[in-house]
Amino acid sequence: GQQVMQIPQYQHVQEGEDFTTYCNSSTTLSNIQWYKQRPGGHPVFLIQLVKSGEVKKQKRLTFQFGEAKKNSSLHITATQTTDVGTYFCAGLGGEYGNKLVFGAGTILRVKS
Amino acid sequence: DGGITQSPKYLFRKEGQNVTLSCEQNLNHDAMYWYRQDPGQGLRLIYYSQIVNDFQKGDIAEGYSVSREKKESFPLTVTSAQKNPTAFYLCASSPYPGPSYGYTFGSGTRLTVV
Repeated sequence: GQQVMQIPQYQHVQEGEDFTTYCNSSTTLSNIQWYKQRPGGHPVFLIQLVKSGEVKKQKRLTFQFGEAKKNSSLHITATQTTDVGTYFCAGLGGEYGNKLVFGAGTILRVKS
Repeated sequence: DGGITQSPKYLFRKEGQNVTLSCEQNLNHDAMYWYRQDPGQGLRLIYYSQIVNDFQKGDIAEGYSVSREKKESFPLTVTSAQKNPTAFYLCASSPYPGPSYGYTFGSGTRLTVV
């Protein structure tokens, strides 16, 4: 079925290292959203990007929407143990229409 | 506090039985959604509803049914026709017109077929 491609599937970093996850869509999106799911928890909405080339920051998290509105990235600077979880991107628009289509997620583990 | 309540948290079902998962929200959101989560596959849309008494099939609706008789409630029934029902089920809501505002998720129901 339809899915936004997200890489890597899994990343294990040392505390203090940076982390990046990438999303790619075959269709031009109207917006892209990012969610975080802690182990054993439920997804929590982090942010939405709507403009071509948009960059938004939330403390140590930087979100970027590509110029063609087909890709996006989430970068975490100096990871902490509280960053552990699965990060999902979700795209809206284009071939997906009015349905939010999720990527498979990137599992982040942080070693202290 | 406003939010989405899903119950039960854990549910065990025998093969051949129907089971209904509850989802209630007090956020006054118009749109509600049901997702299924399996390891390594992200979230897949089962059904969604943008207004009371109306709902649409998502990508994996076969073997499931829903109703939306009240704005606050969107129960999901997993029928015996669902071949592989063991999964984590998540209910979500968003203000009209829907996904453009981001979703609020419930804490989920973990269904196991025994």
